[in-house]
Amino acid sequence: GQSLEQPSEVTAVEGAIVQINCTYQTSGFYGLSWYQQHDGGAPTFLSYNGLDGLEETGRFSSFLSRSDSYGYLLLQELQMKDSASYFCAVSGNTPLVFGKGTRLSVIA
Amino acid sequence: KAGVTQTPRYLIKTRGQQVTLSCSPISGHRSVSWYQQTPGQGLQFLFEYFSETQRNKGNFPGRFSGRQFSNSRSEMNVSTLELGDSALYLCASSPKIAGGPADTQYFGPGTRLTVL
Repeated sequence: GQSLEQPSEVTAVEGAIVQINCTYQTSGFYGLSWYQQHDGGAPTFLSYNGLDGLEETGRFSSFLSRSDSYGYLLLQELQMKDSASYFCAVSGNTPLVFGKGTRLSVIA
Repeated sequence: KAGVTQTPRYLIKTRGQQVTLSCSPISGHRSVSWYQQTPGQGLQFLFEYFSETQRNKGNFPGRFSGRQFSNSRSEMNVSTLELGDSALYLCASSPKIAGGPADTQYFGPGTRLTVL
């Protein structure tokens, strides 16, 4: 089967950096994706890592270590609008499997 | 391109009733997946349709069913509703079949179903 673990809640200060970790167990692994969901909104795609290493997109970066079955999402220069839930998701031989999400609260 | 649309956005039903939810994917996308989202459980995969064929199915009872039409629009149906079926039902489309590299899903706004 497939399973993902990520923290349920994280709180960080505006302007700071926060890292959201994700560990996974899966077969037929292709890559790790991250999605953002604001309250009342739909999940939106943030990033995808198919290879080990860091992918950077503006203030957001995502990292993958296939040997450790581990990845993280790094958010820099946090803004209040970054308050949302963040989901990691595994691509494999089956449809995307999502973690239960990390609720990020950005405080002033 | 227009995004994924879902109708209705909100629905209130009573136990024992049935419900049909509709999803129109992004133009050109042939894969439509359905997810159930409840607090604390994240997004749970229901099923995926590609070219009118169900390709994958999640671990849900047979009361949950779906179909896809030739224009890629999809519907899901839940029969004999239970209180536990109250959830946000999300539809997502993709240009490719689910599974494999870079399986990016484009989500609709969801249908909020409340079962009383």
